[in-house]
Amino acid sequence: KQEVTQIPAALSVPEGENLVLNCSFTDSAIYNLQWFRQDPGKGLTSLLLIQSSQREQTSGRLNASLDKSSGRSTLYIAASQPGDSATYLCAVTGGSYIPTFGRGTSLIVHP
Amino acid sequence: GAGVSQSPRYKVAKRGQDVALRCDPISGHVSLFWYQQALGQGPEFLTYFQNEAQLDKSGLPSDRFFAERPEGSVSTLKIQRTQQEDSAVYLCASSLGQGGIGYEQYFGPGTRLTVT
Repeated sequence: KQEVTQIPAALSVPEGENLVLNCSFTDSAIYNLQWFRQDPGKGLTSLLLIQSSQREQTSGRLNASLDKSSGRSTLYIAASQPGDSATYLCAVTGGSYIPTFGRGTSLIVHP
Repeated sequence: GAGVSQSPRYKVAKRGQDVALRCDPISGHVSLFWYQQALGQGPEFLTYFQNEAQLDKSGLPSDRFFAERPEGSVSTLKIQRTQQEDSAVYLCASSLGQGGIGYEQYFGPGTRLTVT
């Protein structure tokens, strides 16, 4: 059974810092990995989707990398802003076609 | 176009009541997922539809939970004889492709169910 772990569980940083959020998974036979953000009381918003054949995806200040063989993905946030404060979740999809989520990293960026 | 919508946004039920949660996916999306999210946790898979076919219901916690998508668009998650442990946020997501493969999942805002 696929297990997804996200480290750290929580992070508090001053505005302007560059951040790395980590996601690891136990079964490397995946089709894709998706990063989401979730604001309090809201649903999930897709940030980046990385197919298994890709190594990274970029969107604005966000960059996500995927190393399938080692079962790891990182989400890099450049020049963090208070508006980036949210919970960040990763989800991997493997042979069952069903995404498995991590517990998320709760990020606070203070001015 | 419109995103995924869910109703009601909040539901308070007394223990033993039946509830029905609705999901309107993005038009044309083949796949529809239901998840349960407890406080401080990631979403846990409940069930998956491809069009009107329920292909996987392995995540449904008990036979009190039932989901349907009769015409391949709107879906309803029904919980019979609600228990306190059913209190959670129920999220619906849709995707253009098959399962979670190849295409992004788009989530609704969720329904927060509180069982008293």
